[in-house]
This record gives sequence, C-alpha cells and structure tokens, in this order.
Amino acid sequence: GENVGLHLPTLSVQEGDNSIINCAYSNSASDYFIWYKQESGKGPQFIIDIRSNMDKRQGQRVTVLLNKTVKHLSLQIAATQPGDSAVYFCAENNNFNKFYFGSGTKLNVKP
Amino acid sequence: DTAVSQTPKYLVTQMGNDKSIKCEQNLGHDTMYWYKQDSKKFLKIMFSYNNKELIINETVPNRFSPKSPDKAHLNLHINSLELGDSAVYFCASSLRRGALGVEAFFGQGTRLTVV
Repeated sequence: GENVGLHLPTLSVQEGDNSIINCAYSNSASDYFIWYKQESGKGPQFIIDIRSNMDKRQGQRVTVLLNKTVKHLSLQIAATQPGDSAVYFCAENNNFNKFYFGSGTKLNVKP
Repeated sequence: DTAVSQTPKYLVTQMGNDKSIKCEQNLGHDTMYWYKQDSKKFLKIMFSYNNKELIINETVPNRFSPKSPDKAHLNLHINSLELGDSAVYFCASSLRRGALGVEAFFGQGTRLTVV
C-alpha cells in the first residue's frame, strides 16, 4: 500500500545527458503506476503512466520501465534539459480510489 | 484559465485557530481530492469526493472537515490548528473516481504554516 519509495533522494545530471529515476514498490497487487513531476511552487503534473500488463511505455523524451519481478519502476528522461529540474514522484494504485505516492527524487540539471 | 485553483496560496496562522482552504475546478470533473505534502515532499491522500459524496476518508484527525457544496468545489476546514498541521495542501480533480492519471490535475498548493 504505502510502501512506495525512491532509491535516490537527489540526482544531479549534466544537461544533455540521460536521467534515470528509480522507484521501488512493495505491493505486488498494484496494477497501475504513474510518474509525476513537481516544479518548485507548483502542484504535481502527470508525466506518464503504465499498467501492470506492460513492461515499458514511451512518451516524448520519457520512458517508464516496470519490473514486476523485483517490484521496481524507473523513469528515463532522454537528453535532460534545465526545464526538467524538479521533484519526481512515482505513485501506485492497488485500490480503485487510492493512489500511494513515493517520497520524491529531486532532479538537478546542470547547464 | 486555471483548471484547479486553490486559495489562499499561503496561510500563516497561530495554533488553536480555525482556518479554511478553498478549491475550485472548472474542468467539469466528477471527483476531487485533498492531499497533504509534508516537509519531506511526501504526498498523502486525505479525502476524496465524487459528485459531492465523500468516498475516501483516510486516517485524518476529525479537526479536518471537507465540504463539497457542489462538484466543482471542495473546501477544507481545519479546527484548532496544531504545529504538525504545517504542510502544503494540494487539491486535485479527476474526470472519474480513481482516475488519477492523465485525466487528473492538481492545484498549485496552499502552504500552511502554524506558529
């Protein structure tokens, strides 16, 4: 349920490099996962989601990978830009109405 | 136009006071939520309403009382404020209940500081 956590609280990358943000979840019954981006002073913003019947989903410059065997989720951001600097959260859903969020990873993009 | 708007954005108040935070969405969504984000950025759901009906009520002190006068509004009233209530409170809405993915939007948050 609420045991969604992130391995790295802070990640610093150089502009143009790829970023990987990781998330571990504990509930094997979770069947839907979301990545959110939260910029300073703003609310969380949806980035990409994935259902448990998929291993990978791609968006624009972002890819989410799901490994159900080890209950691990990752967000890959290609060619990271300064505008990608934010806190990133994963959230899991195993109950129709409830989503449980991880504690967030701060991504710093160095120019 | 702001999709989900909260007021006020900042709220500083003394312990023991009663305060309200208002939330309005102009998206025509059926479901609205209140989340609390602590100092470590951890987001936790507090309440959810679907068409003015309370559908989620997490383990929240009964000093917190949500009110939904219509499906476009979900207000949060807090009685007898305590230091531990200091946090950022986010309102969110989604098209349908349980749809907190691409169909959901968060407000900009209300930073509550209790002194």
